[in-house]
Amino acid sequence: KAGVTQTPRYLIKTRGQQVTLSCSPISGHRSVSWYQQTPGQGLQFLFEYFSETQRNKGNFPGRFSGRQFSNSRSEMNVSTLELGDSALYLCASSLSGGFTNEKLFFGSGTQLSVL
Amino acid sequence: GENVEQHPSTLSVQEGDSAVIKCTYSDSASNYFPWYKQELGKGPQLIIDIRSNVGEKKDQRIAVTLNKTAKHFSLHITETQPEDSAVYFCAARVGNEKLTFGTGTRLTIIP
Repeated sequence: KAGVTQTPRYLIKTRGQQVTLSCSPISGHRSVSWYQQTPGQGLQFLFEYFSETQRNKGNFPGRFSGRQFSNSRSEMNVSTLELGDSALYLCASSLSGGFTNEKLFFGSGTQLSVL
Repeated sequence: GENVEQHPSTLSVQEGDSAVIKCTYSDSASNYFPWYKQELGKGPQLIIDIRSNVGEKKDQRIAVTLNKTAKHFSLHITETQPEDSAVYFCAARVGNEKLTFGTGTRLTIIP
């Protein structure tokens, strides 16, 4: 079974631009979560989608948004990029995200650099 | 919300020795505690997890212990090998809410 797939692997953008990241979950998984990883802040939760609906949201500004499609694939968008948005963006999937001990599986991430 | 603290931030051990990483959590309602291993250039990989109704869980050279009263849990790696070198993250979750991660431990195995 294929794992979580994130594209692109690397991105270089300039301040003020916008960017869209893509995530394909493990087949059969319906919940997709996004995390931002930086050396200083560690892994920070952005949001979670289930059945095309945002179910949980972290403490990030409105410039960060996402969506989920009917096939469970998800996209994350960051508008008006700032230097501080440079980070590794990780996508994780789980079956439904609704059970306490449900396992979360991560992709390899998209490394975003904002110049 | 939940807060997870992880220690130490870096750890070096001789090959063959044991390594222990400790985490504490703040929300007594947390009931799921996974551990992830992240190698360079890769995403975090789940290596072991434990639920709040279990005190200890073991999988070959890896074990996790949970002390609900003290609100802390630990990862134990025995007979360490060079391929154990990586960054390890603990995490905690309340119900179906988000996972809250610790700040990570960079483990280096010295040959």
